[in-house]
Amino acid sequence: GENVGLHLPTLSVQEGDNSIINCAYSNSASDYFIWYKQESGKGPQFIIDIRSNMDKRQGQRVTVLLNKTVKHLSLQIAATQPGDSAVYFCAEFNYNQGGKLIFGQGTELSVKP
Amino acid sequence: GAVVSQHPSWVICKSGTSVKIECRSLDFQATTMFWYRQFPKQSLMLMATSNEGSKATYEQGVEKDKFLINHASLTLSTLTVTSAHPEDSSFYICSAPWTSGGSRETQYFGPGTRLLVL
Repeated sequence: GENVGLHLPTLSVQEGDNSIINCAYSNSASDYFIWYKQESGKGPQFIIDIRSNMDKRQGQRVTVLLNKTVKHLSLQIAATQPGDSAVYFCAEFNYNQGGKLIFGQGTELSVKP
Repeated sequence: GAVVSQHPSWVICKSGTSVKIECRSLDFQATTMFWYRQFPKQSLMLMATSNEGSKATYEQGVEKDKFLINHASLTLSTLTVTSAHPEDSSFYICSAPWTSGGSRETQYFGPGTRLLVL
C-alpha cells in the first residue's frame, strides 16, 4: 500500500485542550470516510464517519470536517483527555472498489496531563 | 454493535512453519472479510478480501500462495501464513462490514494477532 514505510506523525496536546488531526485522502471518487482510533496492541475502533455529500458531522466530543476540493479530512476532539491518547487513522471507502477501506498514514496523539 | 474476534491474539513460531489465524464475526454474518497487516508505527495495509464461497482477492504484491485465505462460513475466515519467515512478523488484523439498521455499512475490526517468527 502507499502508506507502507512511512512513520507516524505525532501530535502532543495538553489535557483539556482541543485536538485537530488532519488527513489527506487520495481518491476524489471515494463515497465515504471513517476515522478510527487504535490503541497500542489493539485493532482499530470506529469513531465517526461522514458521507461524501456532507462537509461536517458531529459526534460526542468529536467533529469530522470534509473538504472535497482539496481532498482533506480533519478530526476535532474537544476537551482532550488522557484516554484519547492513541493513533488515529482516516480511511476512505469506495463502493466501486469492492467495499475496501484504504487507510491514511495515521497520527499519534499524545495527551499530557 | 458488531463484534469481531481473532484467535490467537499472539503467536510465536519457528521459521519455516505455518501459522493459522482465525477471524470470526460473533453476532452477525459476513460474506466478506478483509485482512490487513500492520508493521510498528505504520498504517494498516490491506492484504486481501476474503469472500465466502469463492476465492479471496489479493492486493498487488501480496503472494496468494504465501498467505492462504479460506472463508469457511458466514462467520469465519482464516489466514494461514505458510512457511513463515522472520520478515512475516507483524500485526495481522481482520475486519468485517456490518450495516446497522439499514444505514451505511461500517467495517468493524478484530483485536489483531501479533505474529513473531523466530
